[in-house]
Amino acid sequence: AQTVTQSQPEMSVQEAETVTLSCTYDTSESDYYLFWYKQPPSRQMILVIRQEAYKQQNATENRFSVNFQKAAKSFSLKISDSQLGDAAMYFCANKPGNTPLVFGKGTRLSVIA
Amino acid sequence: DAGVIQSPRHEVTEMGQEVTLRCKPISGHNSLFWYRQTMMRGLELLIYFNNNVPIDDSGMPEDRFSAKMPNASFSTLKIQPSEPRDSAVYFCASRSATGNSYNEQFFGPGTRLTVL
Repeated sequence: AQTVTQSQPEMSVQEAETVTLSCTYDTSESDYYLFWYKQPPSRQMILVIRQEAYKQQNATENRFSVNFQKAAKSFSLKISDSQLGDAAMYFCANKPGNTPLVFGKGTRLSVIA
Repeated sequence: DAGVIQSPRHEVTEMGQEVTLRCKPISGHNSLFWYRQTMMRGLELLIYFNNNVPIDDSGMPEDRFSAKMPNASFSTLKIQPSEPRDSAVYFCASRSATGNSYNEQFFGPGTRLTVL
């Protein structure tokens, strides 16, 4: 079975500081994609960043970057220079092969002014 | 493009009533997904369609749940009869499954269902 585990139900960070959200996954597929989605209070699911498993280079999108450790099946999200608008639920997701996305339970991030 | 459209945005109903949630995927997208989100279980995939054909409905919790996709631009998720434990946010999502690379999956705004 494909699983995604987010071990931190809640995290907090000071504005302008850096925070890292953890994610581990389990898949038997060799070809897969990994994602981080953001869900603000509006409920809208917003894609933050994605990583192709065959790429060794970690993906980066402005203040968001990932640390992809394929052997350890780890995919953490780093948010630099945190802003108040970053406060949200963050979901890690895995798409193994041709199957649909599998989501973790989420991490609620609070940003303290 | 208006994105994935869901209606209604909020639904409050009484136990035993039939509930129909609606979704219009992004034009040109040929995969459609229905998810349910609760505090306890997180985001669960209920069913997904490729080219209007249901591919996997193993996530549908009970026979009370049914989903249809009569054409490429419309899908429904029906609960009959509804129960209080069905209260959740229901998301529809769509993506284009063409090409060799993975295409982004876009989510609708969700329908918050409350069953009293």
